[in-house]
Amino acid sequence: DVKVTQSSRYLVKRTGEKVFLECVQDMDHENMFWYRQDPGLGLRLIYFSYDVKMKEKGDIPEGYSVSREKKERFSLILESASTNQTSMYLCASIHSGANVLTFGAGSRLTVL
Amino acid sequence: EDKVVQSPLSLVVHEGDTVTLNCSYEVTNFRSLLWYKQEKKAPTFLFMLTSSGIEKKSGRLSSILDKKELFSILNITATQTGDSAVYLCAHQGGSEKLVFGKGTKLTVNP
Repeated sequence: DVKVTQSSRYLVKRTGEKVFLECVQDMDHENMFWYRQDPGLGLRLIYFSYDVKMKEKGDIPEGYSVSREKKERFSLILESASTNQTSMYLCASIHSGANVLTFGAGSRLTVL
Repeated sequence: EDKVVQSPLSLVVHEGDTVTLNCSYEVTNFRSLLWYKQEKKAPTFLFMLTSSGIEKKSGRLSSILDKKELFSILNITATQTGDSAVYLCAHQGGSEKLVFGKGTKLTVNP
């Protein structure tokens, strides 16, 4: 079974702090994604990566950056966290040409 | 811009009821439509639909796609409290990324 592991399930940070959310997948998937999920807004794509060192903006990239130095790892970075970034963050991955996205368990971030 | 619209946004039923969840989409390049179930954690895959009119079934859940009218439905018969979840519909187009609807929150009361 494909496994997508997000390092932190729950995080509490202060406004202005730098936040790293890590995601690792173990099935050699080329494509990795970061979504955020908010009540009433569904899943919205922040960034995705289709290869090492490659990244593309999703629908809501403002305030975020990403890093993909190794194929298995995709990091989401909040350079200066703000309260409106309090959310559930979901990482996912998929093989090129495949259809079914596999999700990690999610990281619930609270910014105070 | 690709769009996926789900309705209703929330639904409360009693155990044993049958429910139908709707998903309509506007896309430039269609590859597949997917349904996911999300309880407390990560979404889990239910169905992938690529062809019109072919019903996919898993136990009490079934789903069908209409590519002409650009919608899909997810049916759940004889609902149980364990069916309470958010049901997500997503479209996959020419690239690998999925575009999600806002989800339907289903609550099944005993």
